[in-house]
Amino acid sequence: DTAVSQTPKYLVTQMGNDKSIKCEQNLGHDTMYWYKQDSKKFLKIMFSYNNKELIINETVPNRFSPKSPDKAHLNLHINSLELGDSAVYFCASSQDWGIWGQEGSPLHFGNGTRLTVT
Amino acid sequence: LAKTTQPISMDSYEGQEVNITCSHNNIATNDYITWYQQFPSQGPRFIIQGYKTKVTNEVASLFIPADRKSSTLSLPRVSLSDTAVYYCLVERLEAAGNKLTFGGGTRVLVKP
Repeated sequence: DTAVSQTPKYLVTQMGNDKSIKCEQNLGHDTMYWYKQDSKKFLKIMFSYNNKELIINETVPNRFSPKSPDKAHLNLHINSLELGDSAVYFCASSQDWGIWGQEGSPLHFGNGTRLTVT
Repeated sequence: LAKTTQPISMDSYEGQEVNITCSHNNIATNDYITWYQQFPSQGPRFIIQGYKTKVTNEVASLFIPADRKSSTLSLPRVSLSDTAVYYCLVERLEAAGNKLTFGGGTRVLVKP
């Protein structure tokens, strides 16, 4: 029973194409994220949504557009793909930190989508 | 957010204890220290979180000295399946949700 699932697992496409990655979480969390992991294993946050509203938008090209139809889904659409977009993209979710009181709210990650742009 | 520094890699053997130390000299009063584990082809998985002193759960222990400028993740009696990348993060609890950037992590290789 997967908590955070993203599809597809692998995505190979050519430069200039438009592609989407889908993410769903069944944990009842209020906040969802997209992260990008480069070849050196650095994970960098791209976007964060809380209850379908965009709350974090890091310096990401506007070719990347997240969409959250409901709080259980956060999809990532990428226009005009470039070679440098090749990476592993992770979706994650967390509960609002306030519910955890003084503790942080751990991130729950999907298993990633490996995007290869040729 | 405070920058973290941790060793790039560590080797160990089955049954040994593995200790990974992370430096976070600029940690702020409202920052927590969190550790994640990542296996190949999987997303990171939360291991443990702490603010000060010692925290222990069924997976690991986290030791944080009084000045909080460093922390040590301790994995007792590792097995081959503990081979993974371990990330140390400083997490600031903001109402807008977590905003975490993971560094390169420490690659732990457990040998038979």
